Amino acid sequence: SYELTQPPSVSVSPGQTAHITCSGDKLGDKYTSWYQQKPGQSPVVVIYQDSKRPSGIPERFSGSNSGNTATLIISGTQPLDEADYYCQAWDDHTVIFGGGTKLTV
Amino acid sequence: EVQLVQSGVEVKKPGESLRMSCQASGYTFLNYWITWVRQMPGRGLEWMGRIDPGDSSTKYSPSFQDHITISVDKSVSIAYLHWNSLKASDSAVYYCARVTRELLRLERSLDYWGQGTLLIVSS
Repeated sequence: SYELTQPPSVSVSPGQTAHITCSGDKLGDKYTSWYQQKPGQSPVVVIYQDSKRPSGIPERFSGSNSGNTATLIISGTQPLDEADYYCQAWDDHTVIFGGGTKLTV
Repeated sequence: EVQLVQSGVEVKKPGESLRMSCQASGYTFLNYWITWVRQMPGRGLEWMGRIDPGDSSTKYSPSFQDHITISVDKSVSIAYLHWNSLKASDSAVYYCARVTRELLRLERSLDYWGQGTLLIVSS
């Protein structure tokens, strides 16, 4: 079965750029979405189709996807960006989530 | 405004059955798949399955397909997640989410989520 692998944790200083990776076999041939989940809250999509931002998501969130790795990039990271982040892709008819990355700011 | 409102906290005993709900509003219910996602305490997101309310067709994760049933009531725009016999290991938060409707399935994402339903299964 298809798997997506994320680092368990990433730390970044306020104002710096955070990179959260998601790896999977030929992931660049698929589309990746990214979800932010804060404690006690439901997930929120912050990036879809690799690099598109839903309305209401700050411009500091961006994404890329190539080869075997998709990356969520948070520029000028703010303390309120501290959360768990999950990547997601489709494998045939199945939704696959990465294991999640805890971002500490 | 698109909303998915889920039913409240459930406390059940092992072996009991349960149906939890996800009430959709603010959009045409028949046009968007609904998916269910499990989150066990302190763990990540796990996709359970999805339903197309238009024709009630379903697709389940192999990890869940023998243990759950997903259904809809089109007349009231509600999606359901059903267990015949609960286990203690089913204790978790369950989310419903709407799937976007791009032509290519690979392009779809989960754009609206319910608030989650906490299920506690304990003897």
